[in-house]
Amino acid sequence: NAGVTQTPKFQVLKTGQSMTLQCAQDMNHNSMYWYRQDPGMGLRLIYYSASEGTTDKGEVPNGYNVSRLNKREFSLRLESAAPSQTSVYFCASSEIPPSGSEKLFFGSGTQLSVL
Amino acid sequence: AQKITQTQPGMFVQEKEAVTLDCTYDTSDQSYGLFWYKQPSSGEMIFLIYQGSYDEQNATEGRYSLNFQKARKSANLVISASQLGDSAMYFCAMRNYQGAQKLVFGQGTRLTINP
Repeated sequence: NAGVTQTPKFQVLKTGQSMTLQCAQDMNHNSMYWYRQDPGMGLRLIYYSASEGTTDKGEVPNGYNVSRLNKREFSLRLESAAPSQTSVYFCASSEIPPSGSEKLFFGSGTQLSVL
Repeated sequence: AQKITQTQPGMFVQEKEAVTLDCTYDTSDQSYGLFWYKQPSSGEMIFLIYQGSYDEQNATEGRYSLNFQKARKSANLVISASQLGDSAMYFCAMRNYQGAQKLVFGQGTRLTINP
């Protein structure tokens, strides 16, 4: 019962460094998402993938890239980290049944600090 | 474009009282879903309740109910008989089922239950 697995849980970067956040789900979901959560801002959608092979920008895509490697995995890359990218990052996955009453399954989050 | 607004940054309620958390949304689509999530201090995201735009009855899940007023574009969460364990951040979210099917969150409301 792994659900959605995110790695790493914590990361400290220096400005300008790059890194990739990994996300994998074992529920055979088509849709996967990356969100960031900042104090007082709620969750903001960075990128999402409605199905394998497709990715689309969310509300705050600048400074990020994503790869939907296969149906299970959806990675988020910071090419040149900036202090403004200090945040908690959540990966999520879902399936939309005919009724539409799907729910998102979230990973446990990655606390990223950029110095 | 879709937008979710939660106007209550924080709420304080006495234990055992009922509480209503406000959520208004904006969309031009006719088919959409509304969700509420709970985030306790541990950071995990917990799905609470779902309401489809074509559902005529308000959704209920145990102590949670969703007061859906389509004409006013509001989807308030009602928690009956609040408990200390209800203290958490609460997020309203919406997905359009036409076009880009992004799940977008509001800013959240921090609920504190006092003994």
